[in-house]
Amino acid sequence: DVKVTQSSRYLVKRTGEKVFLECVQDMDHENMFWYRQDPGLGLRLIYFSYDVKMKEKGDIPEGYSVSREKKERFSLILESASTNQTSMYLCATKKLGSTDTQYFGPGTRLTVL
Amino acid sequence: AQSVTQLGSHVSVSEGALVLLRCNYSSSVPPYLFWYVQYPNQGLQLLLKYTSAATLVKGINGFEAEFKKSETSFHLTKPSAHMSDAAEYFCAVSDGTGGGNKLTFGTGTQLKVEL
Repeated sequence: DVKVTQSSRYLVKRTGEKVFLECVQDMDHENMFWYRQDPGLGLRLIYFSYDVKMKEKGDIPEGYSVSREKKERFSLILESASTNQTSMYLCATKKLGSTDTQYFGPGTRLTVL
Repeated sequence: AQSVTQLGSHVSVSEGALVLLRCNYSSSVPPYLFWYVQYPNQGLQLLLKYTSAATLVKGINGFEAEFKKSETSFHLTKPSAHMSDAAEYFCAVSDGTGGGNKLTFGTGTQLKVEL
């Protein structure tokens, strides 16, 4: 079974703090994704990576950056957290291949005060 | 550009009744289509996917979906709802191109199952 883990289930931070969200997978998948999920908006892609040190912007990259130094780990960074970044953040991984399934982690619910 | 529309943000059915969750897509190339389910406080789990083989796709937990190109639809059905089906359901589309083969998700449908 694919296992995707996220560093925290719940996180509370203050405005202006630098926030790191980590995602680790154990299936040697090439592709990794970060989404945010908000009520009524579904999932929106923030960034994705299709290889180590490779990254591409998704639909809503503003205010975020990412890092992928190792194949199994994909980090999402909020350089200066703001209240409008309060959300559920979901990581997903996928093998390289157009029909392959994306496997999701349990999510991190981030609250920025 | 690809997009997905899920009609009905909330659907309520009685236990034992038919479940029908609607999904329409837009894609400039033949799409790959997915249904995911999210139980409370969990990540998303794949229910089923269409990848240009059979148009009627069977998934887990008794769900199935039919790809109808003429209607650009991929509706999810289950003949008899169970209380454990209460969850949020997301339809997603991929055009299979690009390095990451990105998915575009719909806004989700919350399914409530009543006794």
